[in-house]
Amino acid sequence: QSVLTQPPSASGTPGQRVTISCSGSSANIGSNYVKWYQQFPGTAPTLLIYRNGQRPSGVPDRFSGSKSGTSASLAISGLRSQDEADYYCAAWDESLSAWVFGGGTKVTVL
Amino acid sequence: EVQLVESGGGLVQPGGSLRLSCAASGFTFNDYAMHWVRQIPGKGLEWVAGIGWNGGSAGYADSVKGRFTISRDNAKNSLYLQMNSLRPEDTAFYYCTKDIDILYSYGYWDYWGQGTLVTVSS
Repeated sequence: QSVLTQPPSASGTPGQRVTISCSGSSANIGSNYVKWYQQFPGTAPTLLIYRNGQRPSGVPDRFSGSKSGTSASLAISGLRSQDEADYYCAAWDESLSAWVFGGGTKVTVL
Repeated sequence: EVQLVESGGGLVQPGGSLRLSCAASGFTFNDYAMHWVRQIPGKGLEWVAGIGWNGGSAGYADSVKGRFTISRDNAKNSLYLQMNSLRPEDTAFYYCTKDIDILYSYGYWDYWGQGTLVTVSS
């Protein structure tokens, strides 16, 4: 079982807004930054969001991240077929002294 | 261009050992912490180990603590993972990742290698 909890799947039609949640505790999300990674099948993950809501250069502003208390969320607005991928949240856990991930959310564009 | 190229994966019997390497280029290697992250095929991501910029500090997931050792050679721009007492549940793709910080417990990972597959089976 993953320390951070994500829904296993999310879906939407082109143009819709999809939100993925990431739930943790005071030991991880509650006291540290959250980052999000995107992974396409057969490829390595890539950084999508860092420090809760910052986007690396090259990441479209359709992707946004936020954090409140012990939960975080990733929103994809204007959903496109090329957004079909797995999305993972991660944070440092003070109790475990380790980086922890969510189990991943598979986004499907209907 | 930042490049991280892993090598050393393969098939090993339970209880055996394997050493993974990651050759880094395109950035000043000794300015950044580095990590190993693994992924069982078809499953999620798991952080394995991280090491600070000068090798003076390192951390491990509980699942590998005492069996795996992360190290680096800044003169060779290389990261390593020595894996001992391997178990079938260690079967996974192992990715080398670059941190944006000098400490392994604070930053985020901006570059990933393509991974090397480790299979533990008799």
